Amino acid sequence: GQNIDQPTEMTATEGAIVQINCTYQTSGFNGLFWYQQHAGEAPTFLSYNVLDGLEEKGRFSSFLSRSKGYSYLLLKELQMKDSASYLCAVVDSNYQLIWGAGTKLIIKP
Amino acid sequence: SQTIHQWPATLVQPVGSPLSLECTVEGTSNPNLYWYRQAAGRGLQLLFYSVGIGQISSEVPQNLSASRPQDRQFILSSKKLLLSDSGFYLCAWTSGRDTDTQYFGPGTRLTVL
Repeated sequence: GQNIDQPTEMTATEGAIVQINCTYQTSGFNGLFWYQQHAGEAPTFLSYNVLDGLEEKGRFSSFLSRSKGYSYLLLKELQMKDSASYLCAVVDSNYQLIWGAGTKLIIKP
Repeated sequence: SQTIHQWPATLVQPVGSPLSLECTVEGTSNPNLYWYRQAAGRGLQLLFYSVGIGQISSEVPQNLSASRPQDRQFILSSKKLLLSDSGFYLCAWTSGRDTDTQYFGPGTRLTVL
């Protein structure tokens, strides 16, 4: 079967750095997405990785290791508005998007 | 630029009543369209997707159906709602290329009582 694992919940402090991990076991791999979803709102696109390595976008970075079936989202200089759920999703060999259950990130002052 | 609309934003319906949720996309042609449901505190469950007018693929057998009467219109329906149909319904679109980003509409919060 296809499986994506993320921690259910994480807590971090304002101004700090947090790393949200995602491990996957899917039938094939054609890329990995990270989305942010604030409570009661729709998911919004953060990043897409298809090659190994680190992609940086401002305070957010996303890393991929295809050989390990592993990705992480790194958030720097955390702000209160970063409190949200972060969803990992993998494109499988049939180009279907397989979603993780999401990680709820709580930022404390 | 492209925008995606969903309505209504919230809906409270009794068990056994019908349902119609609408999604429209502007600023693009021949998009792939998707309906998802998200239960409270859970991930996204793909319900239906469509690659063109009249072409619907169902991912989860249930009492819901979908239709695509126009290129940029996607409708989710039910003849008789169940309590388990409660959730957050999201419509999404992509340009049609296989690994394109999915962009989501604002969602409809459905409560079945």
